[in-house]
Amino acid sequence: QKEVEQDPGPLSVPEGAIVSLNCTYSNSAFQYFMWYRQYSRKGPELLMYTYSSGNKEDGRFTAQVDKSSKYISLFIRDSQPSDSATYLCAPRMDSSYKLIFGSGTRLLVRP
Amino acid sequence: DVKVTQSSRYLVKRTGEKVFLECVQDMDHENMFWYRQDPGLGLRLIYFSYDVKMKEKGDIPEGYSVSREKKERFSLILESASTNQTSMYLCASSPGTDTQYFGPGTRLTVL
Repeated sequence: QKEVEQDPGPLSVPEGAIVSLNCTYSNSAFQYFMWYRQYSRKGPELLMYTYSSGNKEDGRFTAQVDKSSKYISLFIRDSQPSDSATYLCAPRMDSSYKLIFGSGTRLLVRP
Repeated sequence: DVKVTQSSRYLVKRTGEKVFLECVQDMDHENMFWYRQDPGLGLRLIYFSYDVKMKEKGDIPEGYSVSREKKERFSLILESASTNQTSMYLCASSPGTDTQYFGPGTRLTVL
């Protein structure tokens, strides 16, 4: 079993839809939960991260962590065609450099 | 803005060749990383360096070596390239355990 599981998609939605992207993980020692966005033929870029459980909002993006069920979510409101990309979740343990990446979910927002 | 550059975007090599992939960062980060990214497998850590001349093996170091002679430069070396090393190679840098910043990637094909 992989440490971090992510549905590969593709997930296709119309412009303006609310998108929910999810990951599950198995290591209860993870404390930081990153979301990276990767456009085609580019390197990943950090979108946002949360520490421990709870929600964090940044504009149209909300990251949510439920440590009791080991479930990580990224919500995108009012999705735009420019949001079309692969989204990677990457948790890590406290005081560790090592990110454990999910395989990514490909999102396509149709105009 | 943090900038991580990689020497080539696309590279084609033959089996058995020695291959050098170069990465340079301009933010004086202590840590530098090499990953490979394959469909369905996500990003997997090959090697990590936390200081000049210091390195640690990641999850899949077999068939690879690294060199860090200067703080800003981290090289990945394939001593004898094989077809199963055909992949996207991504370099990243970070200050401590903070955010990792990625380069654009090198797509390596080994024939």
